[in-house]
Amino acid sequence: QQQVKQSPQSLIVQKGGISIINCAYENTAFDYFPWYQQFPGKGPALLIAIRPDVSEKKEGRFTISFNKSAKQFSLHIMDSQPGDSATYFCAAMVPTGNQFYFGTGTSLTVIP
Amino acid sequence: EPEVTQTPSHQVTQMGQEVILRCVPISNHLYFYWYRQILGQKVEFLVSFYNNEISEKSEIFDDQFSVERPDGSNFTLKIRSTKLEDSAMYFCASSGQADQQYFGPGTRLTVT
Repeated sequence: QQQVKQSPQSLIVQKGGISIINCAYENTAFDYFPWYQQFPGKGPALLIAIRPDVSEKKEGRFTISFNKSAKQFSLHIMDSQPGDSATYFCAAMVPTGNQFYFGTGTSLTVIP
Repeated sequence: EPEVTQTPSHQVTQMGQEVILRCVPISNHLYFYWYRQILGQKVEFLVSFYNNEISEKSEIFDDQFSVERPDGSNFTLKIRSTKLEDSAMYFCASSGQADQQYFGPGTRLTVT
């Protein structure tokens, strides 16, 4: 059972452009939605996270948009840079649990 | 900045052998986790550990797996009799609160 669906699988963006990655979930009990960034050979690193009580959270060039009614959330990377090239995973967690349910990942390539 | 460390970085073992993967979580963290990532696939939850006991585990975490916190700093994952399909990256994570999990760099396990 796939708790969190992520798209696209891969994304190529020009330097300076906007990268958008989308996730959808089914379980309305989820109340914490982080995004992780993973470089080859490294562990996932927490990038930004949101809770359902807000519709948007921004940290620098990274923004999460959250649509509770649609059960969707997305990551926007503004002014994308080659150094942003990595795999991005969305995840979700229920308040009574400890485990993250990860999406399938998006491989982002930013072309100079 | 404190970080989660894991050893070894790469472990090669023969099918049927026991392996122990080691992790040193961030020192003041209370929650500990193991995840795995089969090459090119999403990160999957294995187990969470809090207050010296397993708090949650997935279907993957069967009787072949066990976790232990043998002292105040280490957190280990043992696979009793490895199978070919256990080949994956294994990530340890820790958190001070249940949501903000920090991942280690991973141990690549290769079962031959």
